[in-house]
Amino acid sequence: GQQVMQIPQYQHVQEGEDFTTYCNSSTTLSNIQWYKQRPGGHPVFLIQLVKSGEVKKQKRLTFQFGEAKKNSSLHITATQTTDVGTYFCAGPYNTDKLIFGTGTRLQVFP
Amino acid sequence: NAGVTQTPKFQVLKTGQSMTLQCAQDMNHEYMSWYRQDPGMGLRLIHYSVGAGITDQGEVPNGYNVSRSTTEDFPLRLLSAAPSQTSVYFCASSYSNIGNLYGYTFGSGTRLTVV
Repeated sequence: GQQVMQIPQYQHVQEGEDFTTYCNSSTTLSNIQWYKQRPGGHPVFLIQLVKSGEVKKQKRLTFQFGEAKKNSSLHITATQTTDVGTYFCAGPYNTDKLIFGTGTRLQVFP
Repeated sequence: NAGVTQTPKFQVLKTGQSMTLQCAQDMNHEYMSWYRQDPGMGLRLIHYSVGAGITDQGEVPNGYNVSRSTTEDFPLRLLSAAPSQTSVYFCASSYSNIGNLYGYTFGSGTRLTVV
């Protein structure tokens, strides 16, 4: 079956440090999506990457889609306490089935 | 726009009971999906739909039924609740953007406990 793995599972950082989570798919994806879920909340869509090698930025967040369209990364520069939450990548399989990665839980200490 | 509305927000069931989790969206999205999230875990796809009258199984469909009679509504039925179905259930909807499934909008979830 389809698998989307993320590493690390957990990351604790001091406020101001950088953070990166990596996402790997067992198969090539047409696009990759990233979501953030705050504790006790629901997932919120952040961004979609479609092109091979694509890089997109949202303020302190940088998203990258691998050349082979099987992996992706999310990098946060100078983390803040508002960045706390779990970050998920997700990819569509068989066009319509959106499968989520295992997630990376980020904790930021002030 | 209300977005994706899920009801109820909380539910306690006894083993063997059946119930329906409601989900409605007002964005005219063709795609709708149900996910379950267990404590400290990721999101697992239960069932999904690509339009009214069309549904398909996800990763963990056993014990659940769905139907999609309208674009707006996508109810999830638990046939005979089991403690293993204790979870948070999320409904989500989306649309196709130049051939790609765009990002999902999620409801606020239903927290279900089966005792």
